[in-house]
Amino acid sequence: AQRVTQPEKLLSVFKGAPVELKCNYSYSGSPELFWYVQYSRQRLQLLLRHISRESIKGFTADLNKGETSFHLKKPFAQEEDSAMYYCARPHGSSNTGKLIFGQGTTLQVKP
Amino acid sequence: SQTIHQWPATLVQPVGSPLSLECTVEGTSNPNLYWYRQAAGRGLQLLFYSVGIGQISSEVPQNLSASRPQDRQFILSSKKLLLSDSGFYLCASRFGTGNTGELFFGEGSRLTVL
Repeated sequence: AQRVTQPEKLLSVFKGAPVELKCNYSYSGSPELFWYVQYSRQRLQLLLRHISRESIKGFTADLNKGETSFHLKKPFAQEEDSAMYYCARPHGSSNTGKLIFGQGTTLQVKP
Repeated sequence: SQTIHQWPATLVQPVGSPLSLECTVEGTSNPNLYWYRQAAGRGLQLLFYSVGIGQISSEVPQNLSASRPQDRQFILSSKKLLLSDSGFYLCASRFGTGNTGELFFGEGSRLTVL
């Protein structure tokens, strides 16, 4: 079965420290991968997607096919980065747009 | 741009009572629609999705059902709630095509079954 695994429920860092939120996926060729974020009292929203190879709010994520990982990184965490982060991938190969999400990681950035 | 409305925002219901959560979408037509549940320690679980009016696919066997009476309306229901139905329910709509499409989420409905 296709899976997305986020091994850490909670990641707590100090402001200015580097951040790495881990995500591993079950192998299935070259999947499309996403990171979604949910800030306090806001909707769950797309942060970035693998195919765009972009940096959003200082975050980047590189697909490592050898390790089947898509870790989210930021060199210097800010307090406003505190949120719940979900890694996701498409469910199956159909065109339904379904996404499988990981369990989520809460990032807590302390002042 | 797409906007998704969900209501009610919070709901406290006794075991055995019925449930109806509603989701409506603005700013798009013929969207794919999804119901997800966010339960503590279990991440986001896809419950149902719909590619059109009256077309519902269930992802997991459960006590819930979904209906799509109109193009931009998606309803999550139950005839008799269980304690395990408690959770945060999110409605989503897809923007774009293929498997690279972004999902837009509603603000969610928090259900507590007592």
